[in-house]
Amino acid sequence: QKEVEQNSGPLSVPEGAIASLNCTYSDRGSQSFFWYRQYSGKSPELIMFIYSNGDKEDGRFTAQLNKASQYVSLLIRDSQPSDSATYLCAPGGDYKLSFGAGTTVTVRA
Amino acid sequence: NAGVTQTPKFQVLKTGQSMTLQCAQDMNHNSMYWYRQDPGMGLRLIYYSASEGTTDKGEVPNGYNVSRLNKREFSLRLESAAPSQTSVYFCASMAKNIQYFGAGTRLSVL
Repeated sequence: QKEVEQNSGPLSVPEGAIASLNCTYSDRGSQSFFWYRQYSGKSPELIMFIYSNGDKEDGRFTAQLNKASQYVSLLIRDSQPSDSATYLCAPGGDYKLSFGAGTTVTVRA
Repeated sequence: NAGVTQTPKFQVLKTGQSMTLQCAQDMNHNSMYWYRQDPGMGLRLIYYSASEGTTDKGEVPNGYNVSRLNKREFSLRLESAAPSQTSVYFCASMAKNIQYFGAGTRLSVL
């Protein structure tokens, strides 16, 4: 089993819809969780992080964490064409992050 | 501020050639990282340096060496390039568990 598993893509959603991205992780010691966005041909950039169980909202993005289930998700509300990118889940550990393979999201107009 | 700067941006090598990828950060971060990214594989950690003077292997260290020259600079060396090392390489630095990435180096080994 991989350390970090993300739902396989690509995920295609219509403009204005909700995109739901899922991530499970194997390291029960992970205390921090990060979502990075990567546009095609570019480097990853941080969009959200969450440390506590529950939900964290930032604009159109909501991260949800369930440590008991070792599950973290990212919801993108009112999806826009500019949200078309690959989203990488990264549980944090001592000095390191473990990245999932990513889920590619395409928002169609 | 430039953030994390990687050089070169593109490189083509022949099998067996050597080269060094350079990375420098101006954010005074202690931790620095080298990743490779292949299609469908996400980011895989090659080596990291938790602080100046220390380096540790990551998930895929074979065929690579690193040097943490000082707090700012962390270089990655391929001693004898192989076609399997064709990839996009990213350098990153970290503070408060947040990683900041360079623009990447696209390396092809023929």
